[in-house]
Amino acid sequence: KQEVTQIPAALSVPEGENLVLNCSFTDSAIYNLQWFRQDPGKGLTSLLLIQSSQREQTSGRLNASLDKSSGRSTLYIAASQPGDSATYLCAVPSGGSQGNLIFGKGTKLSVKP
Amino acid sequence: NAGVTQTPKFRILKIGQSMTLQCTQDMNHNYMYWYRQDPGMGLKLIYYSVGAGITDKGEVPNGYNVSRSTTEDFPLRLELAAPSQTSVYFCASSYSGTSNTEAFFGQGTRLTVV
Repeated sequence: KQEVTQIPAALSVPEGENLVLNCSFTDSAIYNLQWFRQDPGKGLTSLLLIQSSQREQTSGRLNASLDKSSGRSTLYIAASQPGDSATYLCAVPSGGSQGNLIFGKGTKLSVKP
Repeated sequence: NAGVTQTPKFRILKIGQSMTLQCTQDMNHNYMYWYRQDPGMGLKLIYYSVGAGITDKGEVPNGYNVSRSTTEDFPLRLELAAPSQTSVYFCASSYSGTSNTEAFFGQGTRLTVV
């Protein structure tokens, strides 16, 4: 059964720092991995989708990497801003044809001005 | 584009009451999902559908029912609300269940059962 773990559970950094969020998964036979952002009381916004054949995906100040063999992904945020404060979730497909996602519990990021 | 739309955004129910959470998507996606999110926990799958007329149970289906009469709509029904159903509910959709498929989520319905 696929399990997803995110470390750390919470992170507080001063504005301007570069930071890394970690995600690990137990079954490396995944189609893709998706990173989401969730603001308090809001829905999930898709940030990046990495296909299993890719090693990296970039969007603006965000860079996500994927190492299937080791069951790990990282989300790198460059030059963090207070507006980056949110909970970041990673998710992988369950492996069945139904296509549902298995989520980690998230990393709550706080960027201090 | 509207994407995935959920209504209502907030609701308070009394124990034993029933309600329907509405979800509609305008992306012509075949696959639709209902998840619940409890504090400090990851999202858990309640029900899913791979197309109109086809639904199946997820990890935590007890106390819920769904239907999928059209591609666009996937309502979630709570028949006898219980305090354990206090949660945030998310509807999601995707084009297919495999490979190059990005999932899109609604804004959520925050439900409190008292």
